[in-house]
Formats: sequence, structure tokens, C-alpha cells
Amino acid sequence: NAGVTQTPKFRILKIGQSMTLQCTQDMNHNYMYWYRQDPGMGLKLIYYSVGAGITDKGEVPNGYNVSRSTTEDFPLRLELAAPSQTSVYFCASTNPQGALYEQYFGPGTRLTVT
Amino acid sequence: EDKVVQSPLSLVVHEGDTVTLNCSYEVTNFRSLLWYKQEKKAPTFLFMLTSSGIEKKSGRLSSILDKKELFSILNITATQTGDSAVYLCATHDRGSTLGRLYFGRGTQLTVWP
Repeated sequence: NAGVTQTPKFRILKIGQSMTLQCTQDMNHNYMYWYRQDPGMGLKLIYYSVGAGITDKGEVPNGYNVSRSTTEDFPLRLELAAPSQTSVYFCASTNPQGALYEQYFGPGTRLTVT
Repeated sequence: EDKVVQSPLSLVVHEGDTVTLNCSYEVTNFRSLLWYKQEKKAPTFLFMLTSSGIEKKSGRLSSILDKKELFSILNITATQTGDSAVYLCATHDRGSTLGRLYFGRGTQLTVWP
């Protein structure tokens, strides 16, 4: 299993540009998440999904959109990039069983908006 | 307002030292607390704690949870340079979004040879 994969690894955007961060998992996990991590800070939840066709906002959803058409894929869309979106983005997935909520993380995408 | 507070934010030690990292939390209906290690990339899972007073151990790392006082500690004995990383604490509560974790800011541990 590849686990959780993310592309691209790095990206530089200009203000106002758009892009999609890709996330794929091959563990058949129902739950998927997008986090952002700013320097010296913990992870903040952007959006999450509990299954194909179901998404919801996390703590910091403004400026982002998601879709979940399949169990495997959970892309994150930035429509009008702003410098405040410069961050490292992590995708994660889990399949809760009872009290087990270990989340498996992808390698991250480092995004710079200038 | 942070639900999960970690201390110290950074720590520098020499190889062989023992360190204790702290995590205090505030959640309405506690379900579990997790520790992750992050080395310049994705966080990797270390421990999950759900019951108070029961130590989880893996090699030189161990962790314990105190549900009465709402905190957890992560101990690393005989530290090595490979232990240098950010250690993240996260909690999950039953009343939150299913599966959602609340992360602390992390403790940056640097181990000098």
C-alpha cells in the first residue's frame, strides 16, 4: 500500500492564481481530512469528509473548496490564492473502529503565494 | 482558544538525557489523546491513550494519561540525535466532528550529539 499520497510536493503561486492540491489514499478509508500547518503552529483543519459525496468545513475553510467523488480521492481547491495561504498542507485519512482514531498523513505540499 | 496546550514549545538537550514533554487539554467529552512525531515531513503516529494511568511504551518512549487532571506526558529516555523532531499532541472528543483531532502547537526537541 502507498498509504496517503499528495501532489505536488512544492508549488509557488502568484496572488490570484488557482490550483488544486491532490490527495489519494489506497487504504479504503472513509474519513479524509485537509490540514494546514503554519510555522510554529499545530495543524488546523480546513475541510473533512466522512465518505464519497459528503464534505464539511473545519476550523479554517475560507478560501478553499473540496470535493469527494470517490473514496480514494479528496482534492483541495484554492480559487484565488492569497499570501495568507502560504503554508504546508497535509492530507490525512482514517477508518475509525471503535475508539481508534489514528490518522494517517500524506507527505505534505509546501505552498508559497507571492 | 487552544484546546490542546503543549509545553515546552522547544527543548534542547544532549544525547543520553531524559526528556519529558507535556500536553494539557480541554475537551468536553474526552475520547482519546494521540502523540505524533514530525520530522520535517508528515506526522507519524506514536501512541494513542484512552485510559487514565495506563502507560504506553515503545522502546525508549513512553506516555501516560491523567484524565482527572487533563494532561499527558511523553517521556524519552537516553535521547539520541534521531529523536530530534517536533512532537505533536492531539485530542479527540466525542462531541466533535467524527474523527476530528485538535492539535497542539508541538514541542520542538533538538538533541545534540
